[in-house]
Amino acid sequence: DAGVIQSPRHEVTEMGQEVTLRCKPISGHDYLFWYRQTMMRGLELLIYFNNNVPIDDSGMPEDRFSAKMPNASFSTLKIQPSEPRDSAVYFCASSPATVTLGAFFGQGTRLTVV
Amino acid sequence: AQSVTQLDSHVSVSEGTPVLLRCNYSSSYSPSLFWYVQHPNKGLQLLLKYTSAATLVKGINGFEAEFKKSETSFHLTKPSAHMSDAAEYFCVVSIRQTGANNLFFGTGTRLTVIP
Repeated sequence: DAGVIQSPRHEVTEMGQEVTLRCKPISGHDYLFWYRQTMMRGLELLIYFNNNVPIDDSGMPEDRFSAKMPNASFSTLKIQPSEPRDSAVYFCASSPATVTLGAFFGQGTRLTVV
Repeated sequence: AQSVTQLDSHVSVSEGTPVLLRCNYSSSYSPSLFWYVQHPNKGLQLLLKYTSAATLVKGINGFEAEFKKSETSFHLTKPSAHMSDAAEYFCVVSIRQTGANNLFFGTGTRLTVIP
């Protein structure tokens, strides 16, 4: 398996633009997580899905952020409109049915909003 | 409530000397514990995990960690540091609770290895 695949690896956009981050989890994994990493706040859980259903989105910072998982092999995190403070590295991770066995992370998307 | 505390934000060791990265956790339930490593500009890689089997867990690259329930600790160790070990290390706790399958990350410890 190729692991968790995220795209793009880097994204530079202007303030106010819509940004869409993509994630392909490991096949057969039931859980998918979106994290944001910044120097100030470290790793923050934004939202996670179980069997394509959002379970906990309390970490989503504002209504500008939305996440979807239309099927078991694809998820998106959208920011509209983007702001400079959204600049961070966004990680997607997936886990088998038993999360306590650990999650596997993608390489991340480095987002810069100018 | 669940949380994890990494006691040192930065650890510096000389190459060939032992590594100790400290982690304490709090959990209302039987925890699963992990260490992840993140090399510069890379994603997070699972180093090792404890899931209520043996309390001494061996991971990749010569790392190991010991679960001590009495001390609520899960410190990461390595007998001899290598230059390639320089990275950020995260201690993570997960709980076995129906409907709350989540991973709680510590703030990370940056390991520097001095030649």
